[in-house]
Amino acid sequence: AQTVTQSQPEMSVQEAETVTLSCTYDTSESDYYLFWYKQPPSRQMILVIRQEAYKQQNATENRFSVNFQKAAKSFSLKISDSQLGDAAMYFCAYRREAGNKLVFGAGTILRVKS
Amino acid sequence: DGGITQSPKYLFRKEGQNVTLSCEQNLNHDAMYWYRQDPGQGLRLIYYSHIVNDFQKGDIAEGYSVSREKKESFPLTVTSAQKNPTAFYLCASTLGESAGEKLFFGSGTQLSVL
Repeated sequence: AQTVTQSQPEMSVQEAETVTLSCTYDTSESDYYLFWYKQPPSRQMILVIRQEAYKQQNATENRFSVNFQKAAKSFSLKISDSQLGDAAMYFCAYRREAGNKLVFGAGTILRVKS
Repeated sequence: DGGITQSPKYLFRKEGQNVTLSCEQNLNHDAMYWYRQDPGQGLRLIYYSHIVNDFQKGDIAEGYSVSREKKESFPLTVTSAQKNPTAFYLCASTLGESAGEKLFFGSGTQLSVL
């Protein structure tokens, strides 16, 4: 079974600084997708970024980028120029190609200090 | 605006009572999902449906039931057989079954036991 592990329960970052959230996953599949979702205090789930496993290029969305290491099964999220609005729970998630289930990690709480 | 509407926002259940959580979407999405979120854990899949009148169990279906009589509606019933129902419940949808598709989430229902 696929598993997703987020080893950092909580992280803190100073406003305008950069922070990296870690995620590792376990799968025997070669084709799959990886996601980072953000859950702010409103509890609304928001897609931050998505990575296709067959693409070597790391995905980027404005201040958010990933470091995807397929061989190491690692998928970290880098947030640059952190803002107060980035404070949230961040979930890493995996979904295999033509699969029906999005598997989530336990989440990392990100606190942003002003 | 298109989106997913979950109701109620808060729900209280008495011992031995069945309760139903509503999920409605006007996105014309084929696939719908129910997730459960417990503190310190990621989201876990309860049930999913890829087409009207068809649905499948997820990882934690015991004590829950669903129906998909209409494309836009996917209600979840928490039965008395679910002994630990207190959790945050999220409904989601995708246009199709492709693994890379973004999940659109509702705003959730917090269920508590009286």
